[in-house]
Amino acid sequence: QVQLVQSGAEVKKPGASVKVSCKASGYTFNTYSIAWVRQAPGQGPEGMGWISTYNGNKKYGQKFQGRVTMTTDTSTSTAYMELRRLRTDDTAVYYCARGQSDYDDSFYDYWGQGTLITVSS
Amino acid sequence: DIVMTQSPDSLAVSLGERATINCKPSQSVLFRSNNKNYLAWYQQKPGQPPKLLIYWASTRESGVPDRFSGSGSGTDFSLTISSLQAEDVAIYYCHQYYSSPSTFGQGTKVEIK
Repeated sequence: QVQLVQSGAEVKKPGASVKVSCKASGYTFNTYSIAWVRQAPGQGPEGMGWISTYNGNKKYGQKFQGRVTMTTDTSTSTAYMELRRLRTDDTAVYYCARGQSDYDDSFYDYWGQGTLITVSS
Repeated sequence: DIVMTQSPDSLAVSLGERATINCKPSQSVLFRSNNKNYLAWYQQKPGQPPKLLIYWASTRESGVPDRFSGSGSGTDFSLTISSLQAEDVAIYYCHQYYSSPSTFGQGTKVEIK
């Protein structure tokens, strides 16, 4: 069965960086894109961007440009999202999700379990 | 970015009754070249990730009960639960993927009356 398993919760200080992993199984990794979505406490989800696992195409939300990097490792079927210069308002659950397109954003049919990132001094 | 506005913020419905949630994107999400609306609906229960219910505005995801249906086009969409069950208590989100970054509504909380 399709699974996306994310790395564990982390606590970071403002200004630090965090890298979240998302290991896929149960399907051919490079036939679906991976998107990253975050959800602050009590808020709706917020799209951060997506990356094609086939050709490396990627698009980041303007809000995150310059602070986020999304990568994939096809040899291990793992996607990564690194967020730099963390602020307290980056505190949220970060999800990876499987997308349907290699050239644009799409709907997400499978989601990881989520990774809580807490930014606090 | 396209702003997604849902209404109501919450609603309480009796078991077996109909629940309808509305979603209005700030601009059309209909792609005229393929006549598809780039809109999805998700259900989220506490402590869980969102679960895909509907995509292309009205296509039900495999395994989703047929009491869930989506309708609408352009800038006016709805999710209907035809006969509310206890397990449908959740927050529901609409999601546009017409333009990147994709954006979500603020959510509608559905409860039992």
